[in-house]
Amino acid sequence: AQSVTQPDIHITVSEGASLELRCNYSYGATPYLFWYVQSPGQGLQLLLKYFSGDTLVQGIKGFEAEFKRSQSSFNLRKPSVHWSDAAEYFCAAEERGGSEKLVFGKGTKLTVNP
Amino acid sequence: GAVVSQHPSWVICKSGTSVKIECRSLDFQATTMFWYRQFPKQSLMLMATSNEGSKATYEQGVEKDKFLINHASLTLSTLTVTSAHPEDSSFYICSAADSTVNSPLHFGNGTRLTVT
Repeated sequence: AQSVTQPDIHITVSEGASLELRCNYSYGATPYLFWYVQSPGQGLQLLLKYFSGDTLVQGIKGFEAEFKRSQSSFNLRKPSVHWSDAAEYFCAAEERGGSEKLVFGKGTKLTVNP
Repeated sequence: GAVVSQHPSWVICKSGTSVKIECRSLDFQATTMFWYRQFPKQSLMLMATSNEGSKATYEQGVEKDKFLINHASLTLSTLTVTSAHPEDSSFYICSAADSTVNSPLHFGNGTRLTVT
């Protein structure tokens, strides 16, 4: 079955430190891949997406993600975290040529220490 | 950019009553919208796919008679929770994609439903 795995439920980093959030997917063929961020009580905001082409994708708010086919991974990174980055981060996948249905990982909660 | 508006942002209702949640695409047309449910500290679970002008497609385990979905126009889908019970309390989020371009889904800000 199609699935998205985020191994880390909760990550804590200090402000200014680098960040990497892990995401692995299990699909028959490479899906479209997304990272979303959710603040408490809010909807989801798209950070970045991978459809094809360059495997290093740049997003908003200084985030980037790297698609690695060999590892079935799409990890999210940021070189220097700001306190405002504290939120829940969701990795999601969509089957190519499918019905636009997203499968979400369980999310990673990011806490930023001052 | 594309905006999806969801209303209300929060609602409290009594057991047995029905609640309607609206999802609107403000600056684009969406032939398909999606309704998700999110339990506290959990991920989003797709409930149903709302198709403009036709019946919604429900995911396995979702009661279609309880969660009524209507997608009467290219910019509006509604989710009605009928005969609500406390276990229906949750955070409901809709999403939509611009039908005219290959774009990712845009999400509404969600509706917090509390059934007392």
